[in-house]
Amino acid sequence: ETGVTQTPRHLVMGMTNKKSLKCEQHLGHNAMYWYKQSAKKPLELMFVYNFKEQTENNSVPSRFSPECPNSSHLFLHLHTLQPEDSALYLCASSRISVEVSGYTFGSGTRLTVV
Amino acid sequence: SQQGEEDPQALSIQEGENATMNCSYKTSINNLQWYRQNSGRGLVHLILIRSNEREKHSGRLRVTLDTSKKSSSLLITASRAADTASYFCATGINNNDMRFGAGTRLTVKP
Repeated sequence: ETGVTQTPRHLVMGMTNKKSLKCEQHLGHNAMYWYKQSAKKPLELMFVYNFKEQTENNSVPSRFSPECPNSSHLFLHLHTLQPEDSALYLCASSRISVEVSGYTFGSGTRLTVV
Repeated sequence: SQQGEEDPQALSIQEGENATMNCSYKTSINNLQWYRQNSGRGLVHLILIRSNEREKHSGRLRVTLDTSKKSSSLLITASRAADTASYFCATGINNNDMRFGAGTRLTVKP
């Protein structure tokens, strides 16, 4: 266990479904992130939250909707996804100054859109 | 692009040999980090090197940074089968905006 917990570990959803991914950390970190990892491609930064305020939206389609109710919890709401959205979705957290200790990642949610 | 690019894409060695992976980037950075990922899992932070540092060690890991060439290398000495994983470099130009490359897939054969 890294201290960053992601649920569910696996998710299969149809293109018309609505689902949510959850991420939770109790490391005292103030920044949280969503990354998308597709096969043989660089990790794509999707969203950054500092002190529960969104500071970056990396041109992510609106069918992905993040929510950060507090510094310990981060959600990614999914609706009307496409098959190309199938990927491993990784949540990470860090101190605001990442130089202190780098990112701590969760184990990811493997998403399959059918 | 800000993100690092690892080289080679894949590396296969025998147990006991050393493994060297390289990372190149294009913009000025304030730190560079290396991460490891076992298949289908999250990334694990290995080591961070700041832009004013040239070399860092952690156990069997040695990282170098050459800011004039915009490159870094990760050396794993006396490799073990358990070192089999993907290795990523991440570059940062400000506090918490880190960009990752596509990784090097390392296979260590017993």
